[in-house]
Amino acid sequence: AQKVTQAQTEISVVEKEDVTLDCVYETRDTTYYLFWYKQPPSGELVFLIRRNSFDEQNEISGRYSWNFQKSTSSFNFTITASQVVDSAVYFCALSEAGDYKLSFGAGTTVTVRA
Amino acid sequence: DVKVTQSSRYLVKRTGEKVFLECVQDMDHENMFWYRQDPGLGLRLIYFSYDVKMKEKGDIPEGYSVSREKKERFSLILESASTNQTSMYLCASSLYLRTYNSPLHFGNGTRLTVT
Repeated sequence: AQKVTQAQTEISVVEKEDVTLDCVYETRDTTYYLFWYKQPPSGELVFLIRRNSFDEQNEISGRYSWNFQKSTSSFNFTITASQVVDSAVYFCALSEAGDYKLSFGAGTTVTVRA
Repeated sequence: DVKVTQSSRYLVKRTGEKVFLECVQDMDHENMFWYRQDPGLGLRLIYFSYDVKMKEKGDIPEGYSVSREKKERFSLILESASTNQTSMYLCASSLYLRTYNSPLHFGNGTRLTVT
């Protein structure tokens, strides 16, 4: 069963628009970790953020922000004032405590048009 | 910065060929991983290695094998390539095995086409 669902396959926005990427996860563990990775056209996935299940504080890093809500099992990612350089595939991933591997969602392709 | 280098960006092979995908990391990481990326499926773990000569199967190991003779190098082997192995292959390394302790560092990927 898919543990991480990214319902949006593709999102296209015009520069300076905000864009929110949805991520819904499924786990029975009480301790788990959530991640976002960015894959630009160069192909290399880049780590953006890690959040553990005990920390529901939202986080902001520059134009990026993350909203973690355990009640809805969601870990959504917002890019504010998008730029062309934000064009990439974004992956949400889950790691359950005691496990060695990440379960990735299918990814959301974001295209930012100038 | 961690550098993970995959030897080929694009590769075209024929059905039945034995294919080697090479990956080298320069940060002395114990752990290395091979993922396969397909549209609509995200990344799926094929194999990983937590030490030289040590390997473990991931979620989709069938049709693949791996080799880790040196700490910095992790090879993915397709014993007899088939068309359903056409995909993007991503190598990664991490300092700690438990990925919540340290993020994965990825290479640029090898896009393999099997005809």
